[in-house]
Amino acid sequence: GAGVSQSPSNKVTEKGKDVELRCDPISGHTALYWYRQSLGQGLEFLIYFQGNSAPDKSGLPSDRFSAERTGGSVSTLTIQRTQQEDSAVYLCASSLLGVEQYFGPGTRLTVT
Amino acid sequence: AQSVTQPDIHITVSEGASLELRCNYSYGATPYLFWYVQSPGQGLQLLLKYFSGDTLVQGIKGFEAEFKRSQSSFNLRKPSVHWSDAAEYFCAVGGLIQGAQKLVFGQGTRLTINP
Repeated sequence: GAGVSQSPSNKVTEKGKDVELRCDPISGHTALYWYRQSLGQGLEFLIYFQGNSAPDKSGLPSDRFSAERTGGSVSTLTIQRTQQEDSAVYLCASSLLGVEQYFGPGTRLTVT
Repeated sequence: AQSVTQPDIHITVSEGASLELRCNYSYGATPYLFWYVQSPGQGLQLLLKYFSGDTLVQGIKGFEAEFKRSQSSFNLRKPSVHWSDAAEYFCAVGGLIQGAQKLVFGQGTRLTINP
């Protein structure tokens, strides 16, 4: 079946602009995660959605970052007023039971 | 705090040789443990997982890993590597960590294969 998909695959934006990154999880998976992969910090947890529960936002680095999940499926990660330190690969993962996670190909964000 | 350590940043082996990638973890309870592989420009692919039971787990692509509670280790092994195994490998611990269901990753080990 189809895996996790993310769009765009690459995004170049100017400092100060807002960006939206999209994730389509595996059909039927109730849990969805966002991670960030950067050279200096490795792989970091950002946010977790489980069903209709309130998301766990404990990993978001600043209030410029937000995410939503519509209809329990597609998720959008929004970064406002982007900074150069936001440059990274943003990975989305989904899970059926909340532990074993399957990752998408990622969105490479470059802030110039 | 929960953490994962992969002591080797970069390993080079010859094609056909055996491979062992090290992983040590710190976790307060019985951990869920994972190995993922990432090829350049790609996402993470799950190689294998340990939840409970048999401490030697088999994964895809001929990989296996052994959970050793006494050593807090979950090393990845392959008896004979292929050129296509060149990639970055991440060990991760998962579960309820600091109130969130998430994975905590090691820094990764980059594997280079010599022909």
